[in-house]
Amino acid sequence: DIQMTQSPSSLSASVGDRVSITCRASQSISSYLNWYQQKPGKAPQLLIYAASSLQSGVPSRFSGGGSGTDFTLTISSLQPEDFAIYYCQQSYTTPVTFGPGTKVDIK
Amino acid sequence: EVQLVESGGGLVQPGGSLRLSCAASGFTFSGYWMSWVRQAPGKALEWVANMKQDGSQRYYVDSVKGRFTISRDNAKNSLYLQMNSLRAEDTAVYYCVRALRFSWLSSDYWGQGTHVTVSS
Repeated sequence: DIQMTQSPSSLSASVGDRVSITCRASQSISSYLNWYQQKPGKAPQLLIYAASSLQSGVPSRFSGGGSGTDFTLTISSLQPEDFAIYYCQQSYTTPVTFGPGTKVDIK
Repeated sequence: EVQLVESGGGLVQPGGSLRLSCAASGFTFSGYWMSWVRQAPGKALEWVANMKQDGSQRYYVDSVKGRFTISRDNAKNSLYLQMNSLRAEDTAVYYCVRALRFSWLSSDYWGQGTHVTVSS
């Protein structure tokens, strides 16, 4: 199975900050990488698919990059509604695997 | 509007069975791969299984192979997960998930989830 890791596991930031989260796959997954946001008690929401494509309806302050084994999710200017847990997920092969998550909270 | 509504969760003893259902609406259900993803309390997301549009292909995570069966009824716009020989580690919120039309392992819409608790 492909293992996904994320760093950091948590971070504290202020509204307006630029935030970046890293995801690493245990083998090359080309650009088969998605990012999801999950708020407490809610289902995850797709933010980015295919490493860098913004899902419809998602604010443009979210962006994704990378290929192969190393990927990044960037929030250009953190907003109050962005405090959540972020998961990366490889869609290269089954079993689909998720990263452990990165919790973004208020400094 | 796309809607996925799960049902069938509850409390079950170890070794017991449950059948989860997912009622889909707002899109052409028969045109999409569908999946189940679960999340144990305070833990990360875990993909469980998925199924092709016509039911001809299905895949499972190793930990549920031989115990869980994914199925669908396109006439009823419904997805199912039959869970047998349940274990404490199967305790989780189970989400019904729709795949992206062009990426069978990526998911765009999620239901709100149904809770499964396996405990004596």
